[in-house]
Amino acid sequence: SAVISQKPSRDICQRGTSLTIQCQVDSQVTMMFWYRQQPGQSLTLIATANQGSEATYESGFVIDKFPISRPNLTFSTLTVSNMSPEDSSIYLCSAAEGPEQYFGPGTRLTVT
Amino acid sequence: GNSVTQMEGPVTLSEEAFLTINCTYTATGYPSLFWYVQYPGEGLQLLLKATKADDKGSNKGFEATYRKETTSFHLEKGSVQVSDSAVYFCALLIQGAQKLVFGQGTRLTINP
Repeated sequence: SAVISQKPSRDICQRGTSLTIQCQVDSQVTMMFWYRQQPGQSLTLIATANQGSEATYESGFVIDKFPISRPNLTFSTLTVSNMSPEDSSIYLCSAAEGPEQYFGPGTRLTVT
Repeated sequence: GNSVTQMEGPVTLSEEAFLTINCTYTATGYPSLFWYVQYPGEGLQLLLKATKADDKGSNKGFEATYRKETTSFHLEKGSVQVSDSAVYFCALLIQGAQKLVFGQGTRLTINP
């Protein structure tokens, strides 16, 4: 199974600033995803990170707020832009190997 | 649409008790089904999966059977341990798009 690391593991940020989260996979994967887990809630898919093209966003998420990069088959970044306290969540990346998805440990973001 | 409904928590049991966490789904087509586990302070781990009707997924003493007739994928374990305390998520995979749809999660606490 793919092993996924994320940086930073947690951060506390001021409103109005931006944070970029990095996701590294230990093998080449075709599909990578970004999820948000709000406090005490389930996971919601933000977008599919496509290698070599723009990410595909789910309803309610837009590129200006959550720009995503996918420069190669092992790496992706998610930026949370112009943050507000409502963006306080855990952000997780995942990678698909066949029908299975493996998740990183998550980045716990607190916006003050 | 595609959705997953889980038994509401939290669930508290004594060690060695029998565990059932109910999960039902609504999906177009024939999804794959998964149980993920999130231990305190950690990311999601794939616990088990089933990719077609009547398949039984199993791991670490946990089992779940894909029941197409009742659109269910209930998680069971015969004798739980304190170390099983975690949040459990049922999920379905939308074929083709490789998107996971998660249930709301069930927090399980096992007391010694």
